[in-house]
Amino acid sequence: AQSVTQLDSQVPVFEEAPVELRCNYSSSVSVYLFWYVQYPNQGLQLLLKYLSGSTLVKGINGFEAEFNKSQTSFHLRKPSVHISDTAEYFCAVKARGGQNFVFGPGTRLSVLP
Amino acid sequence: DGGITQSPKYLFRKEGQNVTLSCEQNLNHDAMYWYRQDPGQGLRLIYYSQIVNDFQKGDIAEGYSVSREKKESFPLTVTSAQKNPTAFYLCASSIALLYEQYFGPGTRLTVT
Repeated sequence: AQSVTQLDSQVPVFEEAPVELRCNYSSSVSVYLFWYVQYPNQGLQLLLKYLSGSTLVKGINGFEAEFNKSQTSFHLRKPSVHISDTAEYFCAVKARGGQNFVFGPGTRLSVLP
Repeated sequence: DGGITQSPKYLFRKEGQNVTLSCEQNLNHDAMYWYRQDPGQGLRLIYYSQIVNDFQKGDIAEGYSVSREKKESFPLTVTSAQKNPTAFYLCASSIALLYEQYFGPGTRLTVT
């Protein structure tokens, strides 16, 4: 079975500052990794995904994430955040060959003016 | 314009009543899922379906039922047996179980 940990439940950051949202996972098999964003009272939107290949993955809205197999991490980064980035961010994993996704508890990013 | 629709966006019911949440997709995806979202708990899988007329229980299926009579539709019924039904419900679909999921806008169910 897989599990996902997002250590920070809330991250406040000032506008134009960099941000890193942490995601660690555990799995006995290889996994696919995803980051989703959820704006208030909306569904989830895919930000980026790691399936294979380069460990640095670029996504929409200027976000990127780096897969680190040895540390079982997939941290999300953005060099300069905007007010509009205020949302909840979910990390998710899926075992290769598996059927279901496992989502982390989410990190609420608040961008302050 | 392809996507997933969920209706209604807000739903209110009295305790003891069954209620059905709609989920429709026109993405031609084979797999569909239902999740429940509670504050601070992320998403928990209720049911999923890989193909028409077939579905499997997720982690928290008790008190819920589903059907998959058409590829495009995957309605979820919240029965009176569900002890704490007030939550935000999300429907998702994917091309196959391998790929990322696409989500609908969600239905917020309040039971009093």
